Amino acid sequence: GENVEQHPSTLSVQEGDSAVIKCTYSDSASNYFPWYKQELGKGPQLIIDIRSNVGEKKDQRIAVTLNKTAKHFSLHITETQPEDSAVYFCAASIQGGADGLTFGKGTHLIIQP
Amino acid sequence: KAGVTQTPRYLIKTRGQQVTLSCSPISGHRSVSWYQQTPGQGLQFLFEYFSETQRNKGNFPGRFSGRQFSNSRSEMNVSTLELGDSALYLCASSFGQDQETQYFGPGTRLLVL
Repeated sequence: GENVEQHPSTLSVQEGDSAVIKCTYSDSASNYFPWYKQELGKGPQLIIDIRSNVGEKKDQRIAVTLNKTAKHFSLHITETQPEDSAVYFCAASIQGGADGLTFGKGTHLIIQP
Repeated sequence: KAGVTQTPRYLIKTRGQQVTLSCSPISGHRSVSWYQQTPGQGLQFLFEYFSETQRNKGNFPGRFSGRQFSNSRSEMNVSTLELGDSALYLCASSFGQDQETQYFGPGTRLLVL
């Protein structure tokens, strides 16, 4: 089955700086890659997703890039703010496939004031 | 639109008991997926339901089961609880059956003593 590796496990950045979280996946058939943000005591919140027919997608301060050849995708957050502090999860799946989302282990993003 | 709702939010059970968790998807969504989240294993896919039929199942023992009703609401049941079943159980809904964008509820925190 699919395996998703996520790095780093913890990331501390100064407020206003950029943050980058990277994930690799193992199944070349995966074609859907969402990113979720989870705050303490809450469920994961979808922040951005990308499909395999697109190399990059941007939504305000958040962007995701996908390299299908290398089987990796990354989340970029620019101009970080205190409210960006949370745990971020990447995931991969085959839309229409037999399995649900396969998640990475998560990155604890800490924004230092 | 109201988001995904899950009840109860917190639950304490003892080993050997059984438990039923409930999930109401976003209005109009017909697919419901369940995930287990633990510190050690992260987020793991349990099963997915669409139109009252289980379409996909993750690698969990038969003690974990679920069902979906005609109004798309879903329940999951865990029988003969073990200490290792302590986790946050998350429900996610999506519009269609091909694992489109999934929106998560707040989860049910289960503690098995």
